[in-house]
Amino acid sequence: GQQVMQIPQYQHVQEGEDFTTYCNSSTTLSNIQWYKQRPGGHPVFLIQLVKSGEVKKQKRLTFQFGEAKKNSSLHITATQTTDVGTYFCAGDTGRRALTFGSGTRLQVQP
Amino acid sequence: DGGITQSPKYLFRKEGQNVTLSCEQNLNHDAMYWYRQDPGQGLRLIYYSQIVNDFQKGDIAEGYSVSREKKESFPLTVTSAQKNPTAFYLCASGPTGETQYFGPGTRLLVL
Repeated sequence: GQQVMQIPQYQHVQEGEDFTTYCNSSTTLSNIQWYKQRPGGHPVFLIQLVKSGEVKKQKRLTFQFGEAKKNSSLHITATQTTDVGTYFCAGDTGRRALTFGSGTRLQVQP
Repeated sequence: DGGITQSPKYLFRKEGQNVTLSCEQNLNHDAMYWYRQDPGQGLRLIYYSQIVNDFQKGDIAEGYSVSREKKESFPLTVTSAQKNPTAFYLCASGPTGETQYFGPGTRLLVL
C-alpha cells in the first residue's frame, strides 16, 4: 500500500545544534505537507510544498521537496527548546487524503 | 484549528460497547477526516469524507463507522468489533486535498 517513511524516529540535540528529518514515499506525491505536534497536543500545519525541487524557508526552518516528488526534508538551524515536539510529513498519493509519516520526535536539551 | 471541536476530551468504553466521538467544524470545509494515533506513533487514517453524504474508508476502517449528514459534522463510532480501541482520536477538516486543521482530539480508554 501507500507508504510514507520518516527517519529518524527520535533525535536528541543540544540547544543550538541543527536538526534534520527526512521523509520518503513509495509513490509520487502531488504535494507534501509538514506538521508539528507538541507533547499532549494535536498536529499543527507548518507548510505545503507542491513543485518538484521546491525549497521554502520559515525563519530557522527549511523545507525541501525532492526532484522526483518522492522525498522531502525539514531542517532546523540552531534549535531552541521551543522546537521540541514531533514533526510529521504527510503526502497526498492521489486519493485526495493525506498519508502521514511515522514522525520524528525532537528533544532539545537546554 | 480553533474552528474544530471534538468531544469528549476523554472517553471510557466498556467491553462490547459502541461509543461515538463527536467532531464539528465551522470553517465551511468540504473535507473531514478521522485519524487514530497510538502512543509514540504516527497518524493512521480511519475514514474521510470529501462531501456531504459521502465518505471513504481509510487505511484502518475495520471496527469503525462514520456518517456525514451535515457539512459541519463527522461523528465517528467505535464499535464493539474494534478489539483494541484505546488510542488518541484526531479529527481534521480542510479544503479537499489541501491543508488539514486538527481538532484537540479525544482520548479513548477501555475499562
